[in-house]
Amino acid sequence: DTEVTQTPKHLVMGMTNKKSLKCEQHMGHRAMYWYKQKAKKPPELMFVYSYEKLSINESVPSRFSPECPNSSLLNLHLHALQPEDSALYLCASSQGSKRPGRRPDTQYFGPGTRLTVL
Amino acid sequence: LAKTTQPISMDSYEGQEVNITCSHNNIATNDYITWYQQFPSQGPRFIIQGYKTKVTNEVASLFIPADRKSSTLSLPRVSLSDTAVYYCLVVPFSGSARQLTFGSGTQLTVLP
Repeated sequence: DTEVTQTPKHLVMGMTNKKSLKCEQHMGHRAMYWYKQKAKKPPELMFVYSYEKLSINESVPSRFSPECPNSSLLNLHLHALQPEDSALYLCASSQGSKRPGRRPDTQYFGPGTRLTVL
Repeated sequence: LAKTTQPISMDSYEGQEVNITCSHNNIATNDYITWYQQFPSQGPRFIIQGYKTKVTNEVASLFIPADRKSSTLSLPRVSLSDTAVYYCLVVPFSGSARQLTFGSGTQLTVLP
C-alpha cells in the first residue's frame, strides 16, 4: 500500500479566512512533505518533516503554518492568504530512516488539494 | 543536486513505444534516477527507479548507459491514458528525508 490521502480535494477561501489542509499516510513513513504546484509548473518544495520535527522550510511565508501531530498526520494551516497562493498543494511521504541507506528515499504523493483564494 | 534536462513535449500515437530521454551530466556516484508520472490536478506517481543498466517493471523500462549521464524511460504500446507529464529526477541514495527538485518535465501527448 503506497497511499497518501489528502483532504479536502478542493478548497475555496477568502483572504481573511483560516483553513487547514490535511494529509495522512499509514505506511509507517517517518518523513512527510508539503509541495506547492502552480499550473503548468513542476512541484516546489515547501516543508519537510522528519520524525515529526520540521527539518526543511524553504523560506515559505508565515501565512502557511505546518504541523505534524504524529507520524501519520501532516497539516498545513492557512491564514490571510493571497490570490497568488492559489495552487495545487501536494503532500508526500517517504521512509525517511535515520540510518544511512543504500537506496534512495522514494517519495509517494497524495492526490493534492486544489486551493483557490478569492 | 544534479540538474536534469528533458524534452519539453513529445507526441505519439496509440500502440507505439515511447522513449523519453533525460540528461543528467553531473550525476554523482551515489545518485539514483527516478521517474514520476503526473496527470492534471493529481499528485506525481512513482513509475520506476534505477542505478545502472536496465530496470523493468509492469509499467515501464528504464535504460541507463554505463556512464550514467543520461537515462531513457521506455513506455511500451502507449494508450491515450498515458498522456501526462513525465519527470526525471536524480535522487541521492540515503535513508534520510531529502528534498526533490523537479525539472520542467516532458508533456507526453498520445494521439488516437
